[in-house]
Amino acid sequence: QKEVEQNSGPLSVPEGAIASLNCTYSDRGSQSFFWYRQYSGKSPELIMSIYSNGDKEDGRFTAQLNKASQYVSLLIRDSQPSDSATYLCAVNMYKGNKLVFGAGTILRVKS
Amino acid sequence: DVKVTQSSRYLVKRTGEKVFLECVQDMDHENMFWYRQDPGLGLRLIYFSYDVKMKEKGDIPEGYSVSREKKERFSLILESASTNQTSMYLCASILSAGGKGYTFGSGTRLTVV
Repeated sequence: QKEVEQNSGPLSVPEGAIASLNCTYSDRGSQSFFWYRQYSGKSPELIMSIYSNGDKEDGRFTAQLNKASQYVSLLIRDSQPSDSATYLCAVNMYKGNKLVFGAGTILRVKS
Repeated sequence: DVKVTQSSRYLVKRTGEKVFLECVQDMDHENMFWYRQDPGLGLRLIYFSYDVKMKEKGDIPEGYSVSREKKERFSLILESASTNQTSMYLCASILSAGGKGYTFGSGTRLTVV
């Protein structure tokens, strides 16, 4: 079992729809969770962080965390073509600050 | 904002060459990391450092070494470049406290021919 798992996609959604990206992780003791967006040929950019169970909203983005289910998700409302990218889930699983990344989900927003 | 600068955006090197990839951050971060990213394999940790002159192996350290002589600079060294080291190399840094996310550099696309 991979430590951090994501569906590779591609996930295709029409413009204006809600995109839902999911991630599961193996270490029940993990405390910090992050979503990165990566455009083709560019480096990852941090877009959301979440540390406690529940929802965290920032503009069109909502991160959801369920530690009991070891599940974290990212919702993108009113999806735009500019949201088309690979979304990486990252989990701080160990003492210190080393992040473990999922392989990423490709999102395509069609206009 | 924290800035993480990688010295080269694109590099082409020959097999057997010794290659240096440089990374500099400007926010006094203790922790620095080197990853490589390949299609289908995601981000894989090569080496990381928690402090000056400290280094720890990541998941795929073979064929690589690192140097951290100053807090702001973390260098990745390919001792004898091989074609299977053709990849995107990403440097990242983070403060020790707080469990925050990384800040990544812009990446170096290395091609070994």
